[in-house]
Amino acid sequence: NAGVTQTPKFQVLKTGQSMTLQCAQDMNHEYMSWYRQDPGMGLRLIHYSVGAGITDQGEVPNGYNVSRSTTEDFPLRLLSAAPSQTSVYFCASSMFLPGPTGGDTQYFGPGTRLTVL
Amino acid sequence: GQQVMQIPQYQHVQEGEDFTTYCNSSTTLSNIQWYKQRPGGHPVFLIQLVKSGEVKKQKRLTFQFGEAKKNSSLHITATQTTDVGTYFCAGLRVNDMRFGAGTRLTVKP
Repeated sequence: NAGVTQTPKFQVLKTGQSMTLQCAQDMNHEYMSWYRQDPGMGLRLIHYSVGAGITDQGEVPNGYNVSRSTTEDFPLRLLSAAPSQTSVYFCASSMFLPGPTGGDTQYFGPGTRLTVL
Repeated sequence: GQQVMQIPQYQHVQEGEDFTTYCNSSTTLSNIQWYKQRPGGHPVFLIQLVKSGEVKKQKRLTFQFGEAKKNSSLHITATQTTDVGTYFCAGLRVNDMRFGAGTRLTVKP
């Protein structure tokens, strides 16, 4: 199993450009999520999905779109990049959605380091 | 909204010393997870605590979940250079998972 893969590893954009960060997992996990990591702020949830065709907003969704057409893939789209979106982006997956009775191990991808000029 | 605070932000220890990081939530949590991130790496799941007052051990690591399910701690006994990294807690409350800012641990040999 490759686990969770992300592409690209690094990306530089100009303000206003759009792009898609790719995320794929081969563990047949239902739950997938996107986080951004900024210095001193930990990981903040952008969007998540509990299964194909179902997505929802996290803590910081503005400026990002997601879709989940298959179980394996969960791309994150930046509509019009801004310098405030400079960050490291992590995709994660787990077998099921964290809930009141517990969660499951979340597996993180290697991350995409994005710089917006 | 739910806030998860983690202290200290940084901790530098001599190899062999103990280390503790604390996580506090403004609301009662369903459960809490702990992760470790090595420099330049991605977060790696360590453990999950679900029950009030729960204590779990992994070799030199001891994890505790408070009686009120609002706080948690990670204690490392006799740190080693391999323990270097940032330790994050993540509090779960009904579909809402919030990470603390992390404690960055450095270990001097």
